[in-house]
Parts: sequence; C-alpha cells; structure tokens
Amino acid sequence: AQSVSQHNHHVILSEAASLELGCNYSYGGTVNLFWYVQYPGQHLQLLLKYFSGDPLVKGIKGFEAEFIKSKFSFNLRKPSVQWSDTAEYFCAVQYGNKLVFGAGTILRVKS
Amino acid sequence: DAGITQSPRYKITETGRQVTLMCHQTWSHSYMFWYRQDLGHGLRLIYYSAAADITDKGEVPDGYVVSRSKTENFPLTLESATRSQTSVYFCASRPSGPYNEQFFGPGTRLTVL
Repeated sequence: AQSVSQHNHHVILSEAASLELGCNYSYGGTVNLFWYVQYPGQHLQLLLKYFSGDPLVKGIKGFEAEFIKSKFSFNLRKPSVQWSDTAEYFCAVQYGNKLVFGAGTILRVKS
Repeated sequence: DAGITQSPRYKITETGRQVTLMCHQTWSHSYMFWYRQDLGHGLRLIYYSAAADITDKGEVPDGYVVSRSKTENFPLTLESATRSQTSVYFCASRPSGPYNEQFFGPGTRLTVL
C-alpha cells in the first residue's frame, strides 16, 4: 500500500532557528508532491507543490522543499522560523486520483 | 467567491443516529473528496468522486455513504454513527487534470456520544 512517512511528530524551535521536516513516500513511480499547513483552528492550506522540473520548489512564506527521487523524499525547509509558523504540517503524495497524507508534524515556535 | 463550504461546522450526536455532513463548492471542480482527521493519522480518505454520479472508496469507507447528484455538492452520511467516527471531517475539491492541487473546506467537528 502507498504510504507517506513524516519523521517527527512534534518539533519545538526558537524563533530564527532553521527548520527541516522530513517526508518519505513508498512509491517509486511518477508522483505529485505537496506540503500543506494547518494553522490552529483553521483548514489546510497549500504551502508548495511539486509536479515536475526543478526539484527545489519554493512556496509561500519563505518555505521551500527539495525532491530527491532516489531517496523518495520531499523534505520541507525554512531558514529562519517565526512564531507565526506555529502550525501542523502535512506532507502529501498524489497517487493517481488519490492524495495520501503523512501523519503530520506539529511545529511550535517559541518567541 | 465562496469557494468550498461545509455545514454544519460542529455537530454532536448520539450513537446509532444518522448524520449527514454537507459540502458545497462554487468552482465546478470535477473532483471532490472526504477526509477524516485524527491525531496521529493525518488525513485519511473516506470517499471521493470524479464527477457527478461517480464515486469511489478511499482508505476508510466503512460506515459512510456518499452521493453526488450535482457537481457542486458532495454530502457524506454516517448511517448509524459510532463513537469511533468522532473526528474532524474535511471536504476538498480539485479540477480535473494531473497537475492541480486540492482545496480544502473549513472542516466539520463531529462528536458521537
């Protein structure tokens, strides 16, 4: 079965620290990759997406992600986090018509 | 542009009752989806629809029924609610074609007592 793994369930960082959230998926074929963010009490919003081309993808709010096909990975990064980045982050992989989500990583940024 | 809306936003019901969660989108997107969100599981797909009158099961379909008589609506029915169906339910939609993301509704928090 297709699966998506997010390595850390909880991450706590101080403001200005760098962030990297890991994401690995199980399928070796062509996939579309996404990172979504859910701020407290809100619905999911798209941070960034990868369909093809440059494996380094830039998204909103200073986030970026790198697709490494050989490692089946799509890690999310941000050089300097802010308190407002406190949220839950979900990696998702599209297999055909279906989107499979990782379990999510709760990020808390201390001010 | 209302986008995608869900109703009700909060619902408390009792075991054994039938509950219907509504989802409406104004974009005329072909695809619509229902997910449930539970701590430690992320979002799991319940059912999806590729077009009006075309639906298919997702990862966790048991205990749920869907219909799609109109492109813009995709109701989810719990025929006989159980406590294990206490969750937050998200509806999503996306246009047809392989290079489009899903857009999510605000969610419905359902509690089954």
